[in-house]
Amino acid sequence: DIQMTQSPSTLSASVGDRVTITCRASQRISSGLAWYQQKPGKAPNLLIYKASILQSGVPSRFSGSGSGTEFTLTISSLQPDDFATYYCQQYNSYSTFGQGTKVEIK
Amino acid sequence: QLQLQESGPGLVKPSETLSLTCAVSGYSISSGYYWVWIRQPPGKGLEWIGSVYRSGSAYYNPSLRSRLTISVDTSNNQFSLKLSSVTAADTAVYYCARPIGPAAIYDAFDMWGQGTMVTVSS
Repeated sequence: DIQMTQSPSTLSASVGDRVTITCRASQRISSGLAWYQQKPGKAPNLLIYKASILQSGVPSRFSGSGSGTEFTLTISSLQPDDFATYYCQQYNSYSTFGQGTKVEIK
Repeated sequence: QLQLQESGPGLVKPSETLSLTCAVSGYSISSGYYWVWIRQPPGKGLEWIGSVYRSGSAYYNPSLRSRLTISVDTSNNQFSLKLSSVTAADTAVYYCARPIGPAAIYDAFDMWGQGTMVTVSS
């Protein structure tokens, strides 16, 4: 099993802040990594796939980077609509998700 | 416009079998993709359950494999999940989804159903 570890678990930030979330894989997963945003009561929404490709319709303030075992999701300037929980997912071998990072208002 | 809609009982008794169906509209399952089930226990993270192809070939989470059957019904454009011997730990929102790529067994998921809550309780 490939384990995905996100940090931090919770992040307090203000509108306009630059925010970075990290996801580490227990073994190398090449670029088989996706990021999702989830709001309460809703299904997750795909933001990034193949570690750095922005999904169609997703604002350009979201970006992803990394390969191998360490990956990051960056929000360049946090907007009110971005307060949510974010998950990483590896799909290099089976599919496993990180435990989530809740971005809350500071 | 692709849409996925989960359906099934919202309450299942312990030791019984949980059965859900995902109805697909706006796309023919026979055309491809590995159709997926994912679940999320209340207040917790996401867990990939398994995938099924139009041919019926299925791929399961190893931790659930012994209790799990995922099947496809191309004539009704739907796919289904059966999880046997359920316990309270199987209480979750169950989502069906479609991956972004038409040929990958494991992939990112760009299309999701709204989810259906299933509670395991006597």
